Amino acid sequence: EAQVTQNPRYLITVTGKKLTVTCSQNMNHEYMSWYRQDPGLGLRQIYYSMNVEVTDKGDVPEGYKVSRKEKRNFPLILESPSPNQTSLYFCASSHREGTEAFFGQGTRLTVV
Amino acid sequence: QKEVEQNSGPLSVPEGAIASLNCTYSDRGSQSFFWYRQYSGKSPELIMSIYSNGDKEDGRFTAQLNKASQYVSLLIRDSQPSDSATYLCAVELNRDDKIIFGKGTRLHILP
Repeated sequence: EAQVTQNPRYLITVTGKKLTVTCSQNMNHEYMSWYRQDPGLGLRQIYYSMNVEVTDKGDVPEGYKVSRKEKRNFPLILESPSPNQTSLYFCASSHREGTEAFFGQGTRLTVV
Repeated sequence: QKEVEQNSGPLSVPEGAIASLNCTYSDRGSQSFFWYRQYSGKSPELIMSIYSNGDKEDGRFTAQLNKASQYVSLLIRDSQPSDSATYLCAVELNRDDKIIFGKGTRLHILP
């Protein structure tokens, strides 16, 4: 089954404790991205990757890091999480930039 | 002008009626348009894509595109309570191929 898999689905952590949210797709897509979704603000892109070893900032990259060492994986790293990063996060993949996006199940992160 | 605009709603429609969701965009050269459905707390799910002016039908859903007016809409016929969700319009920007999402319209189907 074609899918985008995120883990964990839910996470509660404390300020400053490094965390990683994993994302994996099995569709051989070139383009992957991370979004956060907050009430009233919609989906905002954090980082994106057009291919292996190619990543770039989206609209709200501050406080986040990503890597793309393999085509299928695109982890999101929060080196020092803060409460304003409490949000619902989605990973998405596309055949290429500008085409239909397929979303993971989402990760609800709470930073206390 | 925001790049992709949608009325946030909620839009309340009686069961069995036609729900009409609208979206306007600012990049005149945009070529690809998408509608996603998102249930509360769940991930967005693609329901329609449209690339040419006119109508595109898929079951109870019809997407309508008017590039001259920079307007794309989604019609849902015979609305069901299960159609209650937030509908996101997404547009590929011509200038850099990025996809920009609107903030979504909340649709509530009244039983």
